Amino acid sequence: DAKTTQPNSMESNEEEPVHLPCNHSTISGTDYIHWYRQLPSQGPEYVIHGLTSNVNNRMASLAIAEDRKSSTLILHRATLRDAAVYYCIRLQGAQKLVFGQGTRLTINP
Amino acid sequence: DAGITQSPRYKITETGRQVTLMCHQTWSHSYMFWYRQDLGHGLRLIYYSAAADITDKGEVPDGYVVSRSKTENFPLTLESATRSQTSVYFCASSGGAGGYQNIQYFGAGTRLSVL
Repeated sequence: DAKTTQPNSMESNEEEPVHLPCNHSTISGTDYIHWYRQLPSQGPEYVIHGLTSNVNNRMASLAIAEDRKSSTLILHRATLRDAAVYYCIRLQGAQKLVFGQGTRLTINP
Repeated sequence: DAGITQSPRYKITETGRQVTLMCHQTWSHSYMFWYRQDLGHGLRLIYYSAAADITDKGEVPDGYVVSRSKTENFPLTLESATRSQTSVYFCASSGGAGGYQNIQYFGAGTRLSVL
């Protein structure tokens, strides 16, 4: 199965770090891990992606386990604007993103 | 404006009618995609295209037709709309050349209601 496993929902407080877990135990060696998020009433937007090494960008960090069976998206200092559904996706071959249910992140003021 | 645009943003139609949703991108991206998102669910891929005149089925293609005569346009047609096709439709594009070129950029969506 190409889909990943994520918790249905998580909650955090504003200005605190958030760690969003993802399980992809059947991942193959060439599959990239992509994270997208979807704010209310908007299309998904790219957050970050990686293959083996940990990755950082202006939005978030991605920590990938050594065996690549899991990964964690880290929002270092959550704001109210980070409230969204976060999707962890395996990108296989022909560009196809297979979306699961994602994690609905709630940020408390 | 540059980017990826979908039209219309909202559409109400009746069962049995033909409906075409438009998608236009200004980046000259090779790949374009159509997804549907039903209430409370993730996105499911309907069709995708690797280049002009090259299309392929996704997870849920039945009842839909696509074409891509120009790189920048990727219309999605519901030949005979059914109530089960009531959904939000998202178009996306990507460069498709690997690495950061695999990032998909999504339009704002078309909310379609079939009565």
